[in-house]
Amino acid sequence: EIVMTQSPATLSVSPGERATLSCRASQSLSTNLAWFQQKPGQAPRLLIHSSSTRATGIPDRFSGSGSGTEFTLTISGLQSEDFAIYYCQQYHDRPPWAFGPGTKVEIK
Amino acid sequence: QVQLVESGGGVVQPGGSLRLSCSASGFLFSSYGMHWVRQAPGKGLEWVAIIWFDGSEKYSADSVRGRFTISRDNSKNTLYLQMNSVRPEDTALYYCARDRGGGLGLIEFWGQGTLVTVSS
Repeated sequence: EIVMTQSPATLSVSPGERATLSCRASQSLSTNLAWFQQKPGQAPRLLIHSSSTRATGIPDRFSGSGSGTEFTLTISGLQSEDFAIYYCQQYHDRPPWAFGPGTKVEIK
Repeated sequence: QVQLVESGGGVVQPGGSLRLSCSASGFLFSSYGMHWVRQAPGKGLEWVAIIWFDGSEKYSADSVRGRFTISRDNSKNTLYLQMNSVRPEDTALYYCARDRGGGLGLIEFWGQGTLVTVSS
C-alpha cells in the first residue's frame, strides 16, 4: 500500500508571496498525482491532476510538478482566497488510493 | 453542471447499520466511476471505496473492508454505501465523489457530504 506524506504541515505566507508545498509517495506514482484545495466548511476541489495539469477553471498561479515519488504544488502570488488546506492524492495502479495528511496554508 | 447530493447520515449506535445515498445529476452517471471519501471531524481526507462505472469492480479501504459495501443503481443515478458494524472511529463527514473516468481513481467532483455520528 502506497503511503503519502506532505510537508510542511503548516505554511505561513504573506499575501502576494509564493507558497511551495511538497508531497512524497512511498512508491513511484509516475505522474498519477492530484492536488485538492479545501476551505473551511467546504468540500475539496480538484486543482491539479496528472502531477501538472490544471483542472478546469483553476487559475494559472497554481502549478504542479514532479514525477515518481516527489511532487510540488506552487502557488504564485498568494491571494486571500488561497488560504486553505491542500491535499495530495495518488491514483496510481490499483486501489487503495491514499491522500496525504494535508498542508495548511495560513496568513503570515 | 455536475451535482452530487448525499443523504442518509445521522446518529447510529456502535455495531449498528446505516445506508448512505448519493443522488447524481448533470452528467451521464452510468459512464463514471464513483467514490466515497470521508473526513473525521478536524482531520484529513480518507478514501473509502470506489465502484466502477458499470459496477463490475469494487474496492475499499482496509479500514472498512468487510463492513462497508459500495453499490450503485444506474437506472436511478444513485450511489450507495451500506455501513454495517459501525464503530466510533467511523464518525465522519462522508463525501460522494465522481471519478474522471470509469474507474481511474482521479476524483473530479465532490458532493457536500453527509455526517455520520457513531455514538451510544
